Amino acid sequence: QVQLVESGGGVVQPGKSLRLSCGASGFIFSDYAVHWVRQAPGKGLEWVTFISYDGSTKHYKDSVKGRFTISRDNSKKAVYLQMSSLRPEDTAVYFCARGRGSGSFLIDYWGQGAFVTVSS
Amino acid sequence: DIGMTQSPDSLAASLGERATISCKSSQSLFSSSNNQDFLAWYQQKPGQSPKLLIYWASTRESGVPDRFSGSGSGTDFTLTISSLQAEDVAIYYCQQYFNSPLTFGGGTKLEIK
Repeated sequence: QVQLVESGGGVVQPGKSLRLSCGASGFIFSDYAVHWVRQAPGKGLEWVTFISYDGSTKHYKDSVKGRFTISRDNSKKAVYLQMSSLRPEDTAVYFCARGRGSGSFLIDYWGQGAFVTVSS
Repeated sequence: DIGMTQSPDSLAASLGERATISCKSSQSLFSSSNNQDFLAWYQQKPGQSPKLLIYWASTRESGVPDRFSGSGSGTDFTLTISSLQAEDVAIYYCQQYFNSPLTFGGGTKLEIK
């Protein structure tokens, strides 16, 4: 079955960097787009970024543009979220999620999430 | 950005009752290219990741019980649970996938009365 497993979360100081990874299994990874969506403690869902099946198209939420970078390695069935200049307001659970199709914005499967805490 | 507004923020209903959640978008989510509305509904149970329930505003995802239904078009959408079950306690989110940035409604917390 479709599985997405996030890793790399943790506690980081403001202004520092962190890289999240998302490993996929149970489907042909190179055929599907991937999103990152976050959820601050006790809050709702907030879409962060998207990468198409081949990495040629990327979209970002305005507040993370220039600070976050999404990338993928289809040979490793993995997607990465490089986060830099982190702010306390970036504190959240970060979900890796599959897009339904090569360039689809529809999210159909979600990972369990990785906690990121930005605090001094 | 397309704004998504859900109501109510919370809802309590009795087992077997009908529950209805509203979602309004700040612009039309209908595309004439495929005659579909780019609107999805997700269910998030406590301590879990979200689960896709409905897409194209009214298409039920495989495996989702038929007591869940979606309706509406353009800017006004509704998620209906026809006969509330205990396992339906969750937060429900609508989301537009019409364009980037994707945006979610604020969520509706559904509880049993």
